[in-house]
Amino acid sequence: SQELEQSPQSLIVQEGKNLTINCTSSKTLYGLYWYKQKYGEGLIFLMMLQKGGEEKSHEKITAKLDEKKQQSSLHITASQPSHAGIYLCGADNNAGKSTFGDGTTLTVKP
Amino acid sequence: DAGVIQSPRHEVTEMGQEVTLRCKPISGHDYLFWYRQTMMRGLELLIYFNNNVPIDDSGMPEDRFSAKMPNASFSTLKIQPSEPRDSAVYFCASSLSWGTSGSGSSYNEQFFGPGTRLTVL
Repeated sequence: SQELEQSPQSLIVQEGKNLTINCTSSKTLYGLYWYKQKYGEGLIFLMMLQKGGEEKSHEKITAKLDEKKQQSSLHITASQPSHAGIYLCGADNNAGKSTFGDGTTLTVKP
Repeated sequence: DAGVIQSPRHEVTEMGQEVTLRCKPISGHDYLFWYRQTMMRGLELLIYFNNNVPIDDSGMPEDRFSAKMPNASFSTLKIQPSEPRDSAVYFCASSLSWGTSGSGSSYNEQFFGPGTRLTVL
C-alpha cells in the first residue's frame, strides 16, 4: 500500500510568519491532493498536483510536487488565524486506491 | 447543490446495537467513498463505489461492516453488531471521476460530507 508521511505533526506559528508542511510518499504519486480540515468538520479540497515539478497557488497557499513525484510541500505565506486547522495530504495509486497522511495541525497565534 | 449530505451527524449507541449511517452524494457524481477517521489511525478509506457498484472494499475492517448503494443518490454504511472500537467520525465523499492511469489522466477532487460522529458505549 502507499504510505504517506506528513511532517511536522503539529505546528504553532505567529501570525504573519511563513510555514511549510511536507508530505512524503513511499511510492510514486500519481495524484497528490491537499485538504484542510477544521476539527469536527469535513475535509475541504485545496489543491491537486499530478505532474512532476508542478506548482499551484491559491491566495497565500502554494503546493509543489517534486520532479520524482514522491514528495509534496504546502507553503503558507504570511499566515493568518484563518489558516489554522488540520492539513492532510492524500494520494491515489494508479489502481485508484486512496490513502491519506496523518495530518498536520496548524495553530496560528494572533 | 447542497453538497454531500450525511445523517445522522451524531450517533450514540450501545455495544451490540446495529448502526446505519447514510449518505447522499452530489448529484451527477459517479464515485462515492466511505472513510473512517480516528486519532489513532487517521483517515482510512473503507470502501468506494463507481456507478453504484462496490469497486474496492479492502478497507472494510471486518464482516460486521457492510455498505450498499442501491441507487445513484443514496448509500448506507452499516455496522452490526457495533463495538466501542468502532467509535470514530465516518465521512462520505463523492467525485465525478477517480483513479489515474500511468499517464496521470482522469483525476478529480473528492467532495466530503460533514461526517457522522459515532460513539459506541
